[in-house]
Amino acid sequence: AQSVTQLDSHVSVSEGTPVLLRCNYSSSYSPSLFWYVQHPNKGLQLLLKYTSAATLVKGINGFEAEFKKSETSFHLTKPSAHMSDAAEYFCVVSVFRRGSNYKLTFGKGTLLTVNP
Amino acid sequence: SAVISQKPSRDICQRGTSLTIQCQVDSQVTMMFWYRQQPGQSLTLIATANQGSEATYESGFVIDKFPISRPNLTFSTLTVSNMSPEDSSIYLCSVEVPGTDTQYFGPGTRLTVL
Repeated sequence: AQSVTQLDSHVSVSEGTPVLLRCNYSSSYSPSLFWYVQHPNKGLQLLLKYTSAATLVKGINGFEAEFKKSETSFHLTKPSAHMSDAAEYFCVVSVFRRGSNYKLTFGKGTLLTVNP
Repeated sequence: SAVISQKPSRDICQRGTSLTIQCQVDSQVTMMFWYRQQPGQSLTLIATANQGSEATYESGFVIDKFPISRPNLTFSTLTVSNMSPEDSSIYLCSVEVPGTDTQYFGPGTRLTVL
C-alpha cells in the first residue's frame, strides 16, 4: 500500500538558515508526490508537485523538493527561512485505486517554527 | 488554479444538531472532495462527490452522518448530522484539476461542538 512518512513532527530553524523537511514514501509504482503548506487558521496551499518529469521540483516561495527513487524520499528544502514560512507542512502521495481514480494520502505533518 | 470558498468559516454548535457546509468553486469541476482535519491531526478523506451521482464514502464514514449534495459543477454541500463533541474538526473541500491528480483546497470550516 502507498503511504508517506514525515520523519519530523516539529522542525525549528532560525531566520535566514536553511530548511529541510523530510518525507519518505512507499509505493509499488511511480507515484505523484506533493507538498502542501497550511498556515494557522488557513486552508492548504499547494507548494509543489512531482510527476516524474524532473527529479528536482521547484515550487512557490523558494521551496524545492528532490525525488530520490533509490532512497524513496521526497524532502522539501529552502535555502533561507523567512518568518512567514512558519506553518504546518504536509507531504502527500497520490494513490491509484482500482475501480476508482485516485486518493490523496497525507503524512502526519511537520510543524516548522522560524525563530528571529 | 481554482478559487474555492466555504461557508461558514467557523461555527459553534450544540450536540444533537446538524450543520451544512457549503463549498463554491469559481470554475466548473468534475471532482470535488470533502476532508476532515481533527485537532492536531492530518487530513482524512470523507468522500468524493461527482456531479450527477451519489457521493463515494471512505471507510469509517457513512451517508447518514455526512450527507453530501452536488447539484452542479461549481457547488457542493456537506452536512454533519446529529453532532457530538467528537465531530469538532476543520472540514475542508477540495477540487481536482481536470485530468490530473492535483487538488486545490478551500479555506476550511472550523466546527466546534459543545
